[in-house]
Amino acid sequence: KAGVTQTPRYLIKTRGQQVTLSCSPISGHRSVSWYQQTPGQGLQFLFEYFSETQRNKGNFPGRFSGRQFSNSRSEMNVSTLELGDSALYLCASSLAPGGSYEQYFGPGTRLTVT
Amino acid sequence: GENVEQHPSTLSVQEGDSAVIKCTYSDSASNYFPWYKQELGKGPQLIIDIRSNVGEKKDQRIAVTLNKTAKHFSLHITETQPEDSAVYFCAASGAPNDYKLSFGAGTTVTVRA
Repeated sequence: KAGVTQTPRYLIKTRGQQVTLSCSPISGHRSVSWYQQTPGQGLQFLFEYFSETQRNKGNFPGRFSGRQFSNSRSEMNVSTLELGDSALYLCASSLAPGGSYEQYFGPGTRLTVT
Repeated sequence: GENVEQHPSTLSVQEGDSAVIKCTYSDSASNYFPWYKQELGKGPQLIIDIRSNVGEKKDQRIAVTLNKTAKHFSLHITETQPEDSAVYFCAASGAPNDYKLSFGAGTTVTVRA
């Protein structure tokens, strides 16, 4: 069974631009969560989607948004990019929402903002 | 919200020795505790997990223990090998209405040949 896939793997953007990242969960998994990983803050939860609905959201500004499609694929968008948004963005999929289900991570998208 | 602390931040062991990483959590309602291994350039890989109704779980050279009363859990790696070198993260989740994983800061494990 294929794992979680994320595209693109690397991105370089300029301050003020916007970016869209994509995540395809493991087949049969219906919940997708997004995390930001930085050396200073570690792994931080962004949001979780299930059945095309955002179920939970972390403490990030409104510039960070996401959505989920009927096939469970998810996208996250960051508008008006800032230097501090440079990070590894990880997507994790699980069978269902709720913190008690195993979450499997993709390889991440490395975003660099210049 | 949940707060997870992880120690040590770095750990160097001789090949064949054991490695132990410890984590504490703050929310007594948390009931799921996974451990992830992250190698350079890759996403975190789930290596073992434990739920609050179990005190210990083992999978070959890896074991995890949970002490609910003290709110701490530990990862034990026996007979370490060079391929065990990576960053290890503990996490906690499962409290009602809290779907996210709260991660520890990570432990960089180096296995010396």
